Amino acid sequence: ETGVTQTPRHLVMGMTNKKSLKCEQHLGHNAMYWYKQSAKKPLELMFVYNFKEQTENNSVPSRFSPECPNSSHLFLHLHTLQPEDSALYLCASSPQGARTGELFFGEGSRLTVL
Amino acid sequence: DQQVKQNSPSLSVQEGRISILNCDYTNSMFDYFLWYKKYPAEGPTFLISISSIKDKNEDGRFTVFLNKSAKHLSLHIVPSQPGDSAVYFCAASAGNTGTASKLTFGTGTRLQVTL
Repeated sequence: ETGVTQTPRHLVMGMTNKKSLKCEQHLGHNAMYWYKQSAKKPLELMFVYNFKEQTENNSVPSRFSPECPNSSHLFLHLHTLQPEDSALYLCASSPQGARTGELFFGEGSRLTVL
Repeated sequence: DQQVKQNSPSLSVQEGRISILNCDYTNSMFDYFLWYKKYPAEGPTFLISISSIKDKNEDGRFTVFLNKSAKHLSLHIVPSQPGDSAVYFCAASAGNTGTASKLTFGTGTRLQVTL
């Protein structure tokens, strides 16, 4: 139990579907992140939110739409995805003043796009 | 262009022996380095870190060495245990302002500790 919970753990969707991934952190952190992990590739930073404000969008296609209603919750809305978007999507959080860069990750949501 | 490279996708080590995982980086602005460990079906968890002002940091069986001139760091696990079998990610950060972290990760090395 890392204090960062992601749902669903597994998701299969068609290219025309709309679905959402949810992340909740119980650590009192102010920053939340979405990372993508594809096979044989480094973890790729997608979005960063700090105190509910988006501070980083790493050139992510608009078919991925993040939402951060408060510092404890983060969503990733998915629509008209492509098969190459199939990956493990990891949510993470970090505390204020995280000079060391340490992140606390959730267990991930495994997405398969058919 | 990958700024953090882990050139060995996998490593197999016998229980009790030393495991050495390597990581190279290209960005001279990186000033903090971290190792994360990931078991299947779990998210990565922080293992150990080192600041660029140091060349060694030790925590129990885990030691990280940093060679800034070579832009190289390594993680040593002594003695290796079967429970250490996991994927290890090297990560680096540059000049974090303290408001949010931004890490650059390597592709990971899968360590298998055999009996």
